[in-house]
Amino acid sequence: GEDVEQSLFLSVREGDSSVINCTYTDSSSTYLYWYKQEPGAGLQLLTYIFSNMDMKQDQRLTVLLNKKDKHLSLRIADTQTGDSAIYFCAESKMSRTGGSYIPTFGRGTSLIVHP
Amino acid sequence: GAGVSQSPSNKVTEKGKDVELRCDPISGHTALYWYRQSLGQGLEFLIYFQGNSAPDKSGLPSDRFSAERTGGSVSTLTIQRTQQEDSAVYLCASSPRGGGTGGGNEQFFGPGTRLTVL
Repeated sequence: GEDVEQSLFLSVREGDSSVINCTYTDSSSTYLYWYKQEPGAGLQLLTYIFSNMDMKQDQRLTVLLNKKDKHLSLRIADTQTGDSAIYFCAESKMSRTGGSYIPTFGRGTSLIVHP
Repeated sequence: GAGVSQSPSNKVTEKGKDVELRCDPISGHTALYWYRQSLGQGLEFLIYFQGNSAPDKSGLPSDRFSAERTGGSVSTLTIQRTQQEDSAVYLCASSPRGGGTGGGNEQFFGPGTRLTVL
C-alpha cells in the first residue's frame, strides 16, 4: 500500500472549516509536513510539525498529530476560495539505501472551496 | 530570480528519443531532489544530491534515468529512450541542508517540467 495516504478530494463552502487527513507509516519520522500546490505551480511548504508535538497552530492553520495512530490532520479555519489547491502530506522517511531521510509525499487532497 | 527554476517548462518528444531536463536550485542550497508527479499520483522520489556526497539514486525507476549535478549547483535529469509511461511533471526541489537525522528542512520547489512522450 501507499506509504502516505490521503483522501483525494474535499469540497467545502467558503467560510467553513476544512479538515484534511493523512496517515503515514514510518514511526521514526521526526518531521511531518503539509505542502500546498496551486494550479501550474510547484509545491510550497505550508507548515510542518516535529514528532514530539501534538499540535501546532499558525494563523488559520492547525496541525494535529496523533503519533500512536500515525495520523496527521490539517485544519483550515474560515476557508476562502483562494485556499482551493492540492494539499500534500509528507513524512521524512529513510531512503531505501538507508543513507538519508527523504520527504515522502502522499497523492494529495484536492480542496475545492465553493462561494 | 531567487527561487528554483526549471527548464524547459514543457517538453514534447517522440517515443525512443532522449530528453534532458534542467534544474537551477537556489544559490547556496546544498541539497537537491528530483521527483516525478504523474496524473493523479503523489510525488515519486527519483534522486537526491547532498553536497559532494554520492547521490541517493534509490528512486530511479530504471537505468534509462540518470542525473548529474555539476559544481554542486545546476542539475540535469536525463531520460534515455523515452517511453509513454515517462509522461509526467518532473519537479526539482532544493533545500539549505540535506536530509540528515530526521530530515527536518524545508524544500523549495520549482514549477516543474511537463514531459509528454508521444
